[in-house]
Amino acid sequence: DQQVKQNSPSLSVQEGRISILNCDYTNSMFDYFLWYKKYPAEGPTFLISISSIKDKNEDGRFTVFLNKSAKHLSLHIVPSQPGDSAVYFCAPRVGGGADGLTFGKGTHLIIQP
Amino acid sequence: NAGVMQNPRHLVRRRGQEARLRCSPMKGHSHVYWYRQLPEEGLKFMVYLQKENIIDESGMPKERFSAEFPKEGPSILRIQQVVRGDSAAYFCASSPGQENEQFFGPGTRLTVL
Repeated sequence: DQQVKQNSPSLSVQEGRISILNCDYTNSMFDYFLWYKKYPAEGPTFLISISSIKDKNEDGRFTVFLNKSAKHLSLHIVPSQPGDSAVYFCAPRVGGGADGLTFGKGTHLIIQP
Repeated sequence: NAGVMQNPRHLVRRRGQEARLRCSPMKGHSHVYWYRQLPEEGLKFMVYLQKENIIDESGMPKERFSAEFPKEGPSILRIQQVVRGDSAAYFCASSPGQENEQFFGPGTRLTVL
């Protein structure tokens, strides 16, 4: 039972262009959404998050959009840089506090020079 | 402030042996989480611990797996009588408490021969 779906296993984007990574979820109880970035042989690194009371959160080149009615969120990276090449995981959670995270399978973003 | 530390980084075991994975959380963090990542999959939550207490072990297999976070020392994930299907990357994360962000260690890659 996949509660979190990242339907694009990989995405190739030209340097300088916009990267858009998508995430769909089924559990309507999720109310806080995190994005993690992972390089090979390293642990995931927190990137950006959004609460369900918002529909947009921006941090530098990274913006996350949330559409609660569609149970969909997306991560936009603009402009894309070579160092952005990594696997990106969507990780929603239920409630505040300290519960374990539910991760999607990830999208491997490849930035082409 | 050192990050989350995990050791060993790589562990090779033969079927039937025991595997012990260690995690030292970030300084000041009292919440520890263990996740497992199988090939081509996202991270799957296994167990959440606070000092001397297991808070949520809903993601941990009922047999052969156990976890602890003693008053002193690192958190230990123990896998008894390992099987080939246990081969995976095991990640530990920590948080200071009622926070939404979890900080991940570099992982331990377990290979069962």
